[in-house]
Amino acid sequence: RKEVEQDPGPFNVPEGATVAFNCTYSNSASQSFFWYRQDCRKEPKLLMSVYSSGNEDGRFTAQLNRASQYISLLIRDSKLSDSATYLCVVYNNNDMRFGAGTRLTVKP
Amino acid sequence: DTAVSQTPKYLVTQMGNDKSIKCEQNLGHDTMYWYKQDSKKFLKIMFSYNNKELIINETVPNRFSPKSPDKAHLNLHINSLELGDSAVYFCASSPTRREVGLQFFGPGTRLTVL
Repeated sequence: RKEVEQDPGPFNVPEGATVAFNCTYSNSASQSFFWYRQDCRKEPKLLMSVYSSGNEDGRFTAQLNRASQYISLLIRDSKLSDSATYLCVVYNNNDMRFGAGTRLTVKP
Repeated sequence: DTAVSQTPKYLVTQMGNDKSIKCEQNLGHDTMYWYKQDSKKFLKIMFSYNNKELIINETVPNRFSPKSPDKAHLNLHINSLELGDSAVYFCASSPTRREVGLQFFGPGTRLTVL
């Protein structure tokens, strides 16, 4: 099993749709979790941290399920500008692992 | 005003050559990183320095040698380049070694080994 696994997609959704991605991790001792966004041929950028109780930032909601060892990202009211690859990041004690990313394309 | 800058942006070279990639951050961060992103888009950490001290050294060939002359710079030197070294190399920095999630990435260096 890979340390951090994501469905590569692509997810093709119409504008205004709600879309959710999951990311599973294998190390139960993992401490911190993040979602990054990477546009085509660009660098990754931090989208949001993921807190134990779940957290929201505008149209974006992140959840953590420690028992099942996964994190999720929900995007509501998708915009064309949300088209990107979303990378799940799991951190434990100087060990940082990135998922391969889930590609999202939002179409008009 | 670039926060994390890398040079060069593109690097095309022959197998067996030695090359360097430079990275500088003007954010006043303590911690810097080098990542490799291969053709399958996996982003893997290679090294991390905190205040010029090596703190993460993943299993990479010893042909790769990072150098941090000061905490604002982390350069990557690669000896005897191989075809499999072709990838995009990203430099990043974070305020401290604990704030690993708050990383700012450079624009990447696309290395092609022929």
